[in-house]
Amino acid sequence: SQQGEEDPQALSIQEGENATMNCSYKTSINNLQWYRQNSGRGLVHLILIRSNEREKHSGRLRVTLDTSKKSSSLLITASRAADTASYFCATDTGANSKLTFGKGITLSVRP
Amino acid sequence: GAGVSQSPSNKVTEKGKDVELRCDPISGHTALYWYRQSLGQGLEFLIYFQGNSAPDKSGLPSDRFSAERTGGSVSTLTIQRTQQEDSAVYLCASSISRDQETQYFGPGTRLLVL
Repeated sequence: SQQGEEDPQALSIQEGENATMNCSYKTSINNLQWYRQNSGRGLVHLILIRSNEREKHSGRLRVTLDTSKKSSSLLITASRAADTASYFCATDTGANSKLTFGKGITLSVRP
Repeated sequence: GAGVSQSPSNKVTEKGKDVELRCDPISGHTALYWYRQSLGQGLEFLIYFQGNSAPDKSGLPSDRFSAERTGGSVSTLTIQRTQQEDSAVYLCASSISRDQETQYFGPGTRLLVL
């Protein structure tokens, strides 16, 4: 079964707006990561947040982690058309550093 | 300074044939992972190599799937007697070590079994 589950499944926003994507998971984790995928090809690592961290920033990205609720959110501020992609959360439980991915969120940013 | 590379980019084969997919990890990365992504789905873990340790094969879906990593670098994923349900994108990733959590992905091989 999926460890990470993202919502919404699809999100469509206007360029310049903020996009918020959520991820929930089931078991204890060492860290949670967000990846982006363009056109069904390779994934690009965006940001990693550890279990003892609550918030992290990287450029226009802001990630929060609530271990009590087993959930994370990814905020992309001032979105651009180039942000159009699928976004995946992945959890690392520490077992052989094997990541477990959710099914992803399809983000469309309209110019 | 190339990233992870995979070949071929696309592979079309007939049901029952064997296929080999290749992954060249980033130089110096000791950890290598194979994942499978079916249409519209998340990534399914297949197998993990770390240095000279025995690989973690817990994700391989059947005994038709196998993988090797020669010399701690290049890896080959082999699917024998392919079935239509094997059609997917096969993604390879590498990381510096087991303790380096960030994984760097290749562009994937899109496999279509007719």
